[in-house]
Amino acid sequence: AQSVTQLDSHVSVSEGTPVLLRCNYSSSYSPSLFWYVQHPNKGLQLLLKYTSAATLVKGINGFEAEFKKSETSFHLTKPSAHMSDAAEYFCVVSLFGRGSARQLTFGSGTQLTVLP
Amino acid sequence: DADVTQTPRNRITKTGKRIMLECSQTKGHDRMYWYRQDPGLGLRLIYYSFDVKDINKGEISDGYSVSRQAQAKFSLSLESAIPNQTALYFCATSATGGTDTQYFGPGTRLTVL
Repeated sequence: AQSVTQLDSHVSVSEGTPVLLRCNYSSSYSPSLFWYVQHPNKGLQLLLKYTSAATLVKGINGFEAEFKKSETSFHLTKPSAHMSDAAEYFCVVSLFGRGSARQLTFGSGTQLTVLP
Repeated sequence: DADVTQTPRNRITKTGKRIMLECSQTKGHDRMYWYRQDPGLGLRLIYYSFDVKDINKGEISDGYSVSRQAQAKFSLSLESAIPNQTALYFCATSATGGTDTQYFGPGTRLTVL
């Protein structure tokens, strides 16, 4: 079984300060992990993905995430928040097993608010 | 992503009506998915299809059916809509193999009165 937990349903930061969105996962196999972002009234856009290569993954718009197997975590960070980063963020795990029907499991989402 | 389109974008209907949501993609992907999004619950998988002849139930398929008319088209039907099917519905596609990155359509907001 696999699951993903986003530890904060809401995060609020000031513009120009760092962003940390936390995600823990459980998976019986080596997972693929993703972060997606959803801006208001928009579809989901892929921010970044981890697929067993480098543990520090860089994505679009200055975001990055670090895969830590010992902590089963995949936290999303950005050094300096911008107003345009205000959105909902989803951590997603994909079972990556030979012969398995691969499916994505979504976290419940973290709403990021950026204050001026 | 403009490569994945959904129609309609918004729909209001009444309890008991049959509704079809349509999804088309120009990405050339074999795999297509339907999800629903409810506040605080993330996205949950309704149905998925790995090719035209392969359709599978997801986590919450009760009350829904699908049709894969062609590689590029995947429709979701609510045979008899009920109010708790009010949600935002997303279609997604992915390529066979690779990292399972999924590409999402813009969503359909469905309200069942």
